[in-house]
Amino acid sequence: GAVVSQHPSWVICKSGTSVKIECRSLDFQATTMFWYRQFPKQSLMLMATSNEGSKATYEQGVEKDKFLINHASLTLSTLTVTSAHPEDSSFYICSAKGQGPDTQYFGPGTRLTVL
Amino acid sequence: QKEVEQDPGPLSVPEGAIVSLNCTYSNSAFQYFMWYRQYSRKGPELLMYTYSSGNKEDGRFTAQVDKSSKYISLFIRDSQPSDSATYLCAMSGSNYQLIWGAGTKLIIKP
Repeated sequence: GAVVSQHPSWVICKSGTSVKIECRSLDFQATTMFWYRQFPKQSLMLMATSNEGSKATYEQGVEKDKFLINHASLTLSTLTVTSAHPEDSSFYICSAKGQGPDTQYFGPGTRLTVL
Repeated sequence: QKEVEQDPGPLSVPEGAIVSLNCTYSNSAFQYFMWYRQYSRKGPELLMYTYSSGNKEDGRFTAQVDKSSKYISLFIRDSQPSDSATYLCAMSGSNYQLIWGAGTKLIIKP
């Protein structure tokens, strides 16, 4: 399967700071990228869908001003958690989609801990 | 009622047993059905993909879809401790947007 990378894999930050997470599709061009968050022992929760060159579409209840998504190219999307608070601590996972319904490949995830 | 229902488990079985994992759904427009495996603190990886109804086999894994009952299953034969993970079902309609089950935590005891 295709490879999707995320960086960093683990980040600890102080409350009030901003954190940027990168998601890259390494060997294919992703028409669409998705950002999920996952709390312990819970399933994936879709936060937003981003298409290259256009604004992200956020799911209901997700603050777009807090979770800034930029999809600058077909291989890179970034999620910036602005003014992070302890309740933002979670596992953030991106996925990149090629053509077809079975071509959604996931990154390894980023564990964010906000102190 | 959630669009996709999946028992979160945990499901604990002895090594070598046949494992049956299931999901039910309510949206008859779903036509693409997937099973993902997620190890702890890792991203999900696609395990099986099925379009519409029917069976699909890949090694020790068999995926079944019964659209008339809105029920999908994943069977694992000769289960191994390395199969211990959380298994998530996901499905979509023609828009390809995945709707996820809660995930079932599977534990294979040596």
